[in-house]
Amino acid sequence: DAKTTQPTSMDCAEGRAANLPCNHSTISGNEYVYWYRQIHSQGPQYIIHGLKNNETNEMASLIITEDRKSSTLILPHATLRDTAVYYCILRMDSSYKLIFGSGTRLLVRP
Amino acid sequence: DTGVSQDPRHKITKRGQNVTFRCDPISEHNRLYWYRQTLGQGPEFLTYFQNEAQLEKSRLLSDRFSAERPKGSFSTLEIQRTEQGDSAMYLCASSAPDPGQGYNEQFFGPGTRLTVL
Repeated sequence: DAKTTQPTSMDCAEGRAANLPCNHSTISGNEYVYWYRQIHSQGPQYIIHGLKNNETNEMASLIITEDRKSSTLILPHATLRDTAVYYCILRMDSSYKLIFGSGTRLLVRP
Repeated sequence: DTGVSQDPRHKITKRGQNVTFRCDPISEHNRLYWYRQTLGQGPEFLTYFQNEAQLEKSRLLSDRFSAERPKGSFSTLEIQRTEQGDSAMYLCASSAPDPGQGYNEQFFGPGTRLTVL
């Protein structure tokens, strides 16, 4: 079973920041927080991952709380192409499988 | 296009028939994964290979399911005696050898959509 909790759906306006929360209160010390997204009719796509520090790449920023029990994925300037289902996943360093939950369906409005 | 290809993209079969799907990963990737996704749900892990060795199988993978990666390159997933409950999207992914720092990006193919009548 997925060990993360995400809102079922969210929306934001095009050009604004999208902040997607994820709760993972039972995270263990060797689990990384991964984010993937799945645009309709495509396979999932990796976005970003982190252990305990905040991370940023060309797609997004990941903010992990100090106690690591929750995190937020930030899309700084959402576009219509960011409409997708976003999955927050915990991955143990010794395991390669991804356990997906139901994710958050993000709708970016024009 | 992620570089991972799957064939066929769509398969319609009758209950009780056998089906086989193929996945061609990115060439230098040593790990290959199979997932299954039903409508409205996130993908479910089925199995993964490191080179030609099948290292983990989900309990979802019943005796009717078998996967191979004979030469550590392409992989096949076979379903015997298909059931209507097998109708789903079957996704393949691959990943490169670990560069460290917990990085393991999986690149997904477009999937094979199976419909069992």
